[in-house]
Parts: sequence; structure tokens; C-alpha cells
Amino acid sequence: DAEITQSPRHKITETGRQVTLACHQTWNHNNMFWYRQDLGHGLRLIHYSYGVQDTNKGEVSDGYSVSRSNTEDLPLTLESAASSQTSVYFCASSGSRLPVWQETQYFGPGTRLLVL
Amino acid sequence: RKEVEQDPGPFNVPEGATVAFNCTYSNSASQSFFWYRQDCRKEPKLLMSVYSSGNEDGRFTAQLNRASQYISLLIRDSKLSDSATYLCVVRYSNDYKLSFGAGTTVTVRA
Repeated sequence: DAEITQSPRHKITETGRQVTLACHQTWNHNNMFWYRQDLGHGLRLIHYSYGVQDTNKGEVSDGYSVSRSNTEDLPLTLESAASSQTSVYFCASSGSRLPVWQETQYFGPGTRLLVL
Repeated sequence: RKEVEQDPGPFNVPEGATVAFNCTYSNSASQSFFWYRQDCRKEPKLLMSVYSSGNEDGRFTAQLNRASQYISLLIRDSKLSDSATYLCVVRYSNDYKLSFGAGTTVTVRA
């Protein structure tokens, strides 16, 4: 079955370290998204991509970067981890060729990141 | 002002009860609307899309009021398994991006 996976599922790191979170989907979806979720906030969009070599900033992109070298993967990199980046990170994808207004997103299981 | 606002709850209801809650959105150009369900900080999963003025899926009824810019979700005959956080989700115009509310927590007790 097609799916979307994230790794690692849990990560503890230290302030200042570079961290990369992986996201892999087997639906052949063009669109991929990274969100962070914190208590009291909805899911906030970090970066997104509408296809290979396409990347765009979301509402909370500072300190994060992504690259899209193939359809299946959109890794998220924290350039220099900060305690404020402690959060749960979700990757999502869409692109079932429905009209845009009908498109929904499918989420990975999430990565819990703790920055000490 | 947040783009999508929800009453965080929690709504504590007994099994078999009906519970309803709303979500308001700020952008009148919003094109499509969804309810997602999230269990214990696991991944959100689509519960239902909200089309036109509203639709029903089993015990769940979603309604859309474009004039007042709100969406509602009603759960009838609540089950213990309905305990979750319900996320209101809005799409603006012709864009693949979605905007999420912070969620409404529902707890169904035996």
C-alpha cells in the first residue's frame, strides 16, 4: 500500500547542531508539505514543494530549509537547532489529480524533536 | 487575528450524547473546508470534506455558512472512540496549501 513515512520518529539534539528530518511518500504525489505543531497552535506550515526542484517558504520558515531532488522525498533541515524548534513535525503530501478545491493532504506519523 | 479559530474545549460528553462545535475563518475567499481528526498528537486524518452548504457522513454532520464564515461539526450518538481533537481546515482560493485551526478537544465518557 502507498504510504508516507517519517524518520526518525523521535530525536534529541543539542542547540546549534544541524538536524535533518526525512519524509518519504510512495503515492507519487507532486505536493509535499512540512508542518510543526505546538500546544495552543494549529499546524503551521514551514516549507512546501509542488514538484521536483520546487521549494517554497511557509509561514514559519526561518531556521529551516528543504530540498526536492525527487518526487518521493522532502527532507527538512534545521540549520542550527534552537530550543524554540522543539516541536512535533509532520510531513504531508497531496496530488491525486482531483480539482484543487477537492485536494486533501495525507500525513506522516510525525517526528518528535527535542532541542536541549 | 488567526485565519482559522476554534473553541479549544474540552467538550466532555457522555456516551450517546450529541456534541457540536464551530470554527470561524477570516478569509472570505476561502474555497474548500475540511474536518480532520487527531488522536493524542498522532498524525491528523481526514474526517470529512465540507461541500456546498454541508454534508453528512454517518453520525457526523458538517455545515458551512459562507455568509457568517463559519463551519460546524455535529457528532450524534457519541462513542468513546470519538474522543479526539478535531481540526478545522480551510483552503484559500486555488491553492494546494491548507490552513489549520488549533483544534477542538472532545472527550466522550462512559
